[in-house]
Amino acid sequence: DSGVTQTPKHLITATGQRVTLRCSPRSGDLSVYWYQQSLDQGLQFLIHYYNGEERAKGNILERFSAQQFPDLHSELNLSSLELGDSALYFCASSGQGSGSPLHFGNGTRLTVT
Amino acid sequence: DQQVKQNSPSLSVQEGRISILNCDYTNSMFDYFLWYKKYPAEGPTFLISISSIKDKNEDGRFTVFLNKSAKHLSLHIVPSQPGDSAVYFCAARYAGNNRKLIWGLGTSLAVNP
Repeated sequence: DSGVTQTPKHLITATGQRVTLRCSPRSGDLSVYWYQQSLDQGLQFLIHYYNGEERAKGNILERFSAQQFPDLHSELNLSSLELGDSALYFCASSGQGSGSPLHFGNGTRLTVT
Repeated sequence: DQQVKQNSPSLSVQEGRISILNCDYTNSMFDYFLWYKKYPAEGPTFLISISSIKDKNEDGRFTVFLNKSAKHLSLHIVPSQPGDSAVYFCAARYAGNNRKLIWGLGTSLAVNP
């Protein structure tokens, strides 16, 4: 158990809809990262938050947004969903040390029909 | 453009033998390299890492070697066990504040009894 909790585990929705994925980081971790893993792709970095502030953006579409709340949990919002958004979405958290590895949740599998 | 490449999508070894997973990178700005293991339906789990100032790091059955001049790293698992069967991801971290990770596409290791 990594200590990172993601909900829901599975999500099935239709094109054009909007969904929210939720992540609770490990206790004490201030950094939260979101990744997307599609069928033929590796892990694609989406966005990084540190203590409520956005730190880095990766290949995140404008239809997607995220935030980290004062209690450090994070939400990833995906809107105007397209079939190609179907993927596994992982959240990870890390501590502050320079060598701190990422600890991943078990992901949310999103299926857009 | 893949900055981190795992050229072998899959690898099969016999239980008790050595497993060698390879990873090549192109960017000299990476300062840390990490290996993660992923079982189906779970998030990636941190395995072992190495700083760019070292050439070897060992943790039990797992050893990572880094050849900076060749921009190549490898993960050795000795002896391999059936429970090691998983997808192994190589990741490289950019030096600097955002510590963004770039991931390879993974190598699926099968350890046969």
